[in-house]
Amino acid sequence: NAGVTQTPKFQVLKTGQSMTLQCAQDMNHNSMYWYRQDPGMGLRLIYYSASEGTTDKGEVPNGYNVSRLNKREFSLRLESAAPSQTSVYFCASSEGTGGFGNTIYFGEGSWLTVV
Amino acid sequence: AQTVTQSQPEMSVQEAETVTLSCTYDTSESDYYLFWYKQPPSRQMILVIRQEAYKQQNATENRFSVNFQKAAKSFSLKISDSQLGDAAMYFCAYRVSGTYKYIFGTGTRLKVLA
Repeated sequence: NAGVTQTPKFQVLKTGQSMTLQCAQDMNHNSMYWYRQDPGMGLRLIYYSASEGTTDKGEVPNGYNVSRLNKREFSLRLESAAPSQTSVYFCASSEGTGGFGNTIYFGEGSWLTVV
Repeated sequence: AQTVTQSQPEMSVQEAETVTLSCTYDTSESDYYLFWYKQPPSRQMILVIRQEAYKQQNATENRFSVNFQKAAKSFSLKISDSQLGDAAMYFCAYRVSGTYKYIFGTGTRLKVLA
C-alpha cells in the first residue's frame, strides 16, 4: 500500500525557474493538502482541496498554484521560484468525511532548494 | 487566534524509561481533535495518536498515551519504555471539527539515549 506518493524527492532550482511537485494517493481519499515545513515553524498549509474540483488557499499561498487533476492527484506549481521557497514540501490526504475521517496522512516529503 | 505551543524544543530520555512531551493549545472552540505526529530522520510524518475533545478518556496506542486536560487546554504525550526508534521530532496538532485546517506546533526533538 503506497499511501501518498510525492515526486520529485529532491530538487534544486535557480531563482525564477518554475517547477511542479506531483502528488498521488491511492487511499480513495477525498481531500488533499500541500504543506511546507521550515525550521522552527512547524508545518504551514499552502493549499488544500476538500474534494475533486475544488481548491482553497491555506496560510501561505503566495507564489504557488495548485491543480486537483482528479481524485487521486494534486499538484503544486511554483511559477517563479524564489529563495524564500526553499523548504520541505509535504503532500497529504484525508477521507474528508468529518470526525476522524479528517485525519491526514502524509507523503515522504520533497526537499526543494532555490539558489 | 488558534495556536499550538510546544514549549520543549528538545528532550532526552534513557532507553526503557518514560518521557512526557508537552503541548498546549489556545482555542474558543468546543468540538475539535488533537493529534501527535512523529517525524523520524527520514522526514516522513507518521500519526502516533489522536484524541477527540468531547471524549474524557485519554487515548492510548501501545506504549503511547496522552494526558488530555480540556479545561487547561493541555495535550501531553507520554512514551513508556522508550526505544531507540522513538528518536524523532514530535509534532502536536489541532483541528476544529468540520474544518480542513490543522494547526501544528513547532515540534519537540526527542533523543533516546542507549
